[in-house]
Amino acid sequence: NAGVTQTPKFRILKIGQSMTLQCTQDMNHNYMYWYRQDPGMGLKLIYYSVGAGITDKGEVPNGYNVSRSTTEDFPLRLELAAPSQTSVYFCASSYRTVFQETQYFGPGTRLLVL
Amino acid sequence: SQELEQSPQSLIVQEGKNLTINCTSSKTLYGLYWYKQKYGEGLIFLMMLQKGGEEKSHEKITAKLDEKKQQSSLHITASQPSHAGIYLCGADNVGGNTGKLIFGQGTTLQVKP
Repeated sequence: NAGVTQTPKFRILKIGQSMTLQCTQDMNHNYMYWYRQDPGMGLKLIYYSVGAGITDKGEVPNGYNVSRSTTEDFPLRLELAAPSQTSVYFCASSYRTVFQETQYFGPGTRLLVL
Repeated sequence: SQELEQSPQSLIVQEGKNLTINCTSSKTLYGLYWYKQKYGEGLIFLMMLQKGGEEKSHEKITAKLDEKKQQSSLHITASQPSHAGIYLCGADNVGGNTGKLIFGQGTTLQVKP
């Protein structure tokens, strides 16, 4: 299993450009998440999905959109890139039991908006 | 809303020394997760604690959740260079098993050989 894969690893955008961050998992997990990590700030949840066709906002959704057409893929869309969106983006997927949930993270995408 | 505060923010220790990282919540913790991150990589799950007073160990890393379930500690015994990285605590934001985690700001650990 490859686990959670993310592309690209690094990208530079100009203000106002758009892009899609790709995330794929091969563990058949229903739950998927997008986080952003800013220096010294920990991770903040952008969007999450509990299954194909179902998405919901997290803590910091403004400026982003997601879709979940398949169990495996959970792309994150930036429509009008702004410098405030410079960050490291992590995708995660998880399985749940009655007692706990463990999230598996991808390697991250570093985005620089100039 | 719930917040997680980690201390210290950074730590430099000599190889072989013990160390402790703390994670304090503003609200009762219903699930506390510890993750480790190496620079340029994603997060790796270490341990999850749920019950007050619970303690779990994996190799030389021990995590504890206090009885009141508002503070957790991560203790590393006889640190090694392989322990270096950023340690993050995470907790369910809503107080149940929703998966919507919030994270502390992280503790950066350096281990000097």
